[in-house]
Amino acid sequence: GDSVTQMEGPVTLSEEAFLTINCTYTATGYPSLFWYVQYPGEGLQLLLKATKADDKGSNKGFEATYRKETTSFHLEKGSVQVSDSAVYFCALSYNFNKFYFGSGTKLNVKP
Amino acid sequence: NAGVTQTPKFRVLKTGQSMTLLCAQDMNHEYMYWYRQDPGMGLRLIHYSVGEGTTAKGEVPDGYNVSRLKKQNFLLGLESAAPSQTSVYFCASSYSTSQETQYFGPGTRLLVL
Repeated sequence: GDSVTQMEGPVTLSEEAFLTINCTYTATGYPSLFWYVQYPGEGLQLLLKATKADDKGSNKGFEATYRKETTSFHLEKGSVQVSDSAVYFCALSYNFNKFYFGSGTKLNVKP
Repeated sequence: NAGVTQTPKFRVLKTGQSMTLLCAQDMNHEYMYWYRQDPGMGLRLIHYSVGEGTTAKGEVPDGYNVSRLKKQNFLLGLESAAPSQTSVYFCASSYSTSQETQYFGPGTRLLVL
């Protein structure tokens, strides 16, 4: 079946450190891939997305590249800030109204 | 634009009680969704709607019912609440297919005793 697997958290980094959150997926079709972010006490917000292989999504310094050969969509940021502390969800969607979320990775950034 | 709003924000129920969660969106979106979020499990789709008057089952529909009488509203009902339904419930909407960006409400925290 279709699924999304994320690295378990929490991930704790110091400010200005490099961030990678791993995400791999299994899908029987050709999904779109998403990263959503959830700040404390809020709903999810779209961070970035990619709709086909080799596409790179980017927003607010975050990037992720749709890698079909490794079925991955890893999230990266070169220099994290305290304000990036949140829970990050990888997700895939395809085949009409099927949307699968990973379990989320909590990021803590310390000053 | 208020976006997606949810009512109530928090509720405590006793086992066997019923309640309705209300989701409203003002973006003229066709698609609406109800998810539940449990620790370590991400979000799971309960029910969804592709337009006014339509509903369909998601991944975990048992124990829930939904209605979409108006395009802007999507109601989630629990007829007889169980402790296993303790969760945070999120409503979302999107313009067209689920491959489009989904916009989420702030969530409803439900505790069933």
